[in-house]
Amino acid sequence: GAVVSQHPSRVICKSGTSVKIECRSLDFQATTMFWYRQFPKQSLMLMATSNEGSKATYEQGVEKDKFLINHASLTLSTLTVTSAHPEDSSFYICSADKAGAGSTEAFFGQGTRLTVV
Amino acid sequence: SQKIEQNSEALNIQEGKTATLTCNYTNYSPAYLQWYRQDPGRGPVFLLLIRENEKEKRKERLKVTFDTTLKQSLFHITASQPADSATYLCALALSDSWGKLQFGAGTQVVVTP
Repeated sequence: GAVVSQHPSRVICKSGTSVKIECRSLDFQATTMFWYRQFPKQSLMLMATSNEGSKATYEQGVEKDKFLINHASLTLSTLTVTSAHPEDSSFYICSADKAGAGSTEAFFGQGTRLTVV
Repeated sequence: SQKIEQNSEALNIQEGKTATLTCNYTNYSPAYLQWYRQDPGRGPVFLLLIRENEKEKRKERLKVTFDTTLKQSLFHITASQPADSATYLCALALSDSWGKLQFGAGTQVVVTP
């Protein structure tokens, strides 16, 4: 199976600072990656689609200037939470599509628990 | 708007029995439906995908059915084991991309010895 790695797995930051989360596909190329957010006892909510070499596509209600996404290579997408507030505290999860046809599943990272204090 | 509903109450089941989970959806015409397992503090892990023209799919002790008329999928864990304890999520694709998914809130399964 394919492996997607997220880093860090946990991060605590102060209000007003920025935090960067990395999502890497370790053994395959991913032209498209997805970022989700999950609050306790709730479903994963899609935040944005990260496309290699182009701008990310954000879901309705997600502030693109607050959640900066960069997909600079076929194996790395980053999500930067800017000017973090306590309400941004959540579990952030990325997933990746294998480039090319044939893949019928999404490969998820292990998630990043962000706590803003 | 599109909606996916799963039982919010935890399912407590004795080891060896069959756990049955329900996923209902509205305002979708999905080409396929997926089931994932999520452990606490971890990302989802893919289990099964069933296409609209498939009634049933099996993988080891797992079985999924898909009724596009009822707009419902059932997920069965047979001969359940304590290691099956987790939250199970159903998901539908938001587009032609395999990875762009809308998830149900999930149903927690607790298997007791």
